[in-house]
Amino acid sequence: AQSVSQHNHHVILSEAASLELGCNYSYGGTVNLFWYVQYPGQHLQLLLKYFSGDPLVKGIKGFEAEFIKSKFSFNLRKPSVQWSDTAEYFCAANYGGSQGNLIFGKGTKLSVKP
Amino acid sequence: DAGITQSPRYKITETGRQVTLMCHQTWSHSYMFWYRQDLGHGLRLIYYSAAADITDKGEVPDGYVVSRSKTENFPLTLESATRSQTSVYFCASSILPGQNQPQHFGDGTRLSIL
Repeated sequence: AQSVSQHNHHVILSEAASLELGCNYSYGGTVNLFWYVQYPGQHLQLLLKYFSGDPLVKGIKGFEAEFIKSKFSFNLRKPSVQWSDTAEYFCAANYGGSQGNLIFGKGTKLSVKP
Repeated sequence: DAGITQSPRYKITETGRQVTLMCHQTWSHSYMFWYRQDLGHGLRLIYYSAAADITDKGEVPDGYVVSRSKTENFPLTLESATRSQTSVYFCASSILPGQNQPQHFGDGTRLSIL
């Protein structure tokens, strides 16, 4: 079965630290990849997406992600986090022919200490 | 731009009662989705709909019923609520997946079953 794995359940960082959140997806042919963020008490918002082309994708709020096909990975990065980045981050995959369904990872909670 | 609206935002009910969660979108998106979000599980797909009168099961459909008589509405019904259905429910919509569009999420409904 197709699946998405996020390695870290909870990450705690100080402000200005660099961030990298891991995401691996299972093989399934053509895949579209997404990172969503959920701030406390809010709905999911799209951070960035990868469909094809340049494997380094830049999103909103200074986030970026790199698609590494050989590793089935799509890790999220930010060079310097802020307290306002405290949120839960979800990696998701949409496999070609899957009717638009997103398969989500279990999420990584990021806590940034001021 | 109203986007996607869920109602109610909060609901408390008792075991065995029927409850319906509403979802309305103003974009005329073809695809609509219902997810539940539980600690440790991330988001799991309950049902989705590719168009009016077309629905299909997701990962966790048992105990739920959906309908899509109009493109803009996608209600989710718990016919006989159980405590295990206590969760946060998110509705989402997207344009045809072939256009590689992300899903847009509502604000969620927090449902507690006593």
